[in-house]
Amino acid sequence: GQSLEQPSEVTAVEGAIVQINCTYQTSGFYGLSWYQQHDGGAPTFLSYNGLDGLEETGRFSSFLSRSDSYGYLLLQELQMKDSASYFCAVRDNYGQNFVFGPGTRLSVLP
Amino acid sequence: DTEVTQTPKHLVMGMTNKKSLKCEQHMGHRAMYWYKQKAKKPPELMFVYSYEKLSINESVPSRFSPECPNSSLLNLHLHALQPEDSALYLCASSQDRTTGANVLTFGAGSRLTVL
Repeated sequence: GQSLEQPSEVTAVEGAIVQINCTYQTSGFYGLSWYQQHDGGAPTFLSYNGLDGLEETGRFSSFLSRSDSYGYLLLQELQMKDSASYFCAVRDNYGQNFVFGPGTRLSVLP
Repeated sequence: DTEVTQTPKHLVMGMTNKKSLKCEQHMGHRAMYWYKQKAKKPPELMFVYSYEKLSINESVPSRFSPECPNSSLLNLHLHALQPEDSALYLCASSQDRTTGANVLTFGAGSRLTVL
């Protein structure tokens, strides 16, 4: 089976940098993804790591260490619109099922 | 077209009703998913279709019945639901089972209320 852990809440101010961690235990591993979900909206894809290291997409970066079963999402130059829930997700060993972490609620304060 | 379209956006039904949720994508994706999401919880997988065949059923009660008429359409038939089935039902798609299929594209969801 799979289990993922994330902090439940993170608070930061506009313009700051925040890091959301994710640790996972899986029976197989096809990569770690990150999704953003605003209240009342659907999850949207942010970033994917299949190999160790850092992936950068604009203000968002994601990091993976497969040996540590650990990854994080880094959000820079925070904006109010970044207030949302962030989920890490892994693909299982059959590659079809995406299992989501419990989610981290990010609140960006003015 | 990079969208997954779900209808209806909102649905209220009684416990004896029969209704269906619909999902459509035209991205050529060959895997389609139904997820259920309760408030402040992560999406939970219900069903996966791969190349129009049901490949995963996560022990979902039989009052939920999925159908994949073709590679672009996915339905979820609802019958004799319980109030605890009230949730946001999300449809998603991804390319297929290859290593390139690392992105789930979600629809906006159908918010279901069972009275």
